[in-house]
Amino acid sequence: QKEVEQNSGPLSVPEGAIASLNCTYSDRGSQSFFWYRQYSGKSPELIMFIYSNGDKEDGRFTAQLNKASQYVSLLIRDSQPSDSATYLCAVKRNNFNKFYFGSGTKLNVKP
Amino acid sequence: KAGVTQTPRYLIKTRGQQVTLSCSPISGHRSVSWYQQTPGQGLQFLFEYFSETQRNKGNFPGRFSGRQFSNSRSEMNVSTLELGDSALYLCASSLANFRSGANVLTFGAGSRLTVL
Repeated sequence: QKEVEQNSGPLSVPEGAIASLNCTYSDRGSQSFFWYRQYSGKSPELIMFIYSNGDKEDGRFTAQLNKASQYVSLLIRDSQPSDSATYLCAVKRNNFNKFYFGSGTKLNVKP
Repeated sequence: KAGVTQTPRYLIKTRGQQVTLSCSPISGHRSVSWYQQTPGQGLQFLFEYFSETQRNKGNFPGRFSGRQFSNSRSEMNVSTLELGDSALYLCASSLANFRSGANVLTFGAGSRLTVL
């Protein structure tokens, strides 16, 4: 079983719609959760992180965490073609600087 | 503020050779981590260095090694290259406060290694 699971996609949404990306993790000791975006041929860049149950909003992005269900999600409101990329979920324990990444979900936002 | 700098960006080697990759972290970041990214396996953790010491290690063979210098710059070395070592090698730096949930990784552009 992989530490972090994501649907590889592709997930296709029309421009202006809400994109919902999901991630599950296996280690109940995980305490910090991250979403990275990776454009084709580029390196991952941080979108946001969350470590408390509930929602965290940053602009058009909302991260949701449910530790009981071991589930993290990322909502992208008003999706734009420029959001088309692979989204990577990552988790880590607080006492270790070792991140576990999912394989990523490819998002296509169609104009 | 300069980002994470990795060199070289691209390199081609043949089986059996060895390669050394370099990483300069963001100024003030004392932790440097290395990841391997391949289409089949995704991003996999290689190792992490802090204060010139390897603090965490992933599940890679001993052919993969690294080190960190007193200025926090890091190198990783792969000896006896195999075809399967072809990948994007990403370096990431972070603050040393690894107990904080807000300790995030900032990645460099990566070094793309092709083994023929």
